[in-house]
Amino acid sequence: EVQLLQSGGTLVQPGGSLRLSCAASGFTFNIYSMTWVRQGPGKGLEWVSSITDTGAHTYYADSVKGRFTIFRDNSENTLYLQMNSLRADDTALYYCAKLEGASTVWGQGTLVSVSS
Amino acid sequence: QPVLTQSSSASASLGSSVKLSCTLSSGHITYIIAWHQQQSGKAPRFLMKVERSGSYSKGSGVPDRFSGSSSGTDRYLTISNLQSEDEADYYCETWDSDNRVFGGGTKLTVL
Repeated sequence: EVQLLQSGGTLVQPGGSLRLSCAASGFTFNIYSMTWVRQGPGKGLEWVSSITDTGAHTYYADSVKGRFTIFRDNSENTLYLQMNSLRADDTALYYCAKLEGASTVWGQGTLVSVSS
Repeated sequence: QPVLTQSSSASASLGSSVKLSCTLSSGHITYIIAWHQQQSGKAPRFLMKVERSGSYSKGSGVPDRFSGSSSGTDRYLTISNLQSEDEADYYCETWDSDNRVFGGGTKLTVL
C-alpha cells in the first residue's frame, strides 16, 4: 500500500524547535520530489517547502525561509522538516505529500502547536 | 509566481451539478492545475489535473461524476449528481520551478 506516515507534532514554546518526520512506503521514494504543506486552524492549505528527489535542491515559502529546513534520507525512505525559531503563527496541521498528479499521496497530518 | 483565485463558498442540491472555478493570474494562462478535495477532519485527496486544453487526468478511485475543463485562465471542476459525501473543501494547486501555490479553497455545501 502506498503510504506516508507522519510523526513528530507536539506542543512547543515560542522560539523552540521541532523536527517532523514522514516515512514513505509502497513506492520508489528516491525518484520523487516531496513537499510539506500546512493548514492553520480554520484556514486553507499553505505550501511550506519542497525538496527534489536527490535532495540537491530545496525550496521554501517566504514565511519559513531561514527558520525551517527540509531534508530527506533516501536510504530510510523518510522526509523531514526541521523547524526552528517557532512562532505562534506556525501553529498548524502539517502534511507531507508527494504531489505528482495521479500518483499524488498525502500523509495523515501531524499537529504542531506553538504556545507558552 | 502564479496566484490562484477561488470563490470562498458554493452550494448545490443533492443530485444536481456544480461547477467550481479556479482562476490563474494573468501571465500564467498555460499552467496546469490540480484539484484536491478535503472532507471535514481528513487529509486532502487528489482529484485530478486540468490542462489549458481542458484535458484532465483523474486520480485512482475518483468517481466518473467528477470532471475537469478549462477556458482561458479559468480551470474548472464539475461534480455531477451531487452526493452528500461531496460536501467538502476543494483546493486548486499549481506550481512552477521553485514553488507551489494553493488557492484559498471553496467550501461546497450540498443542500
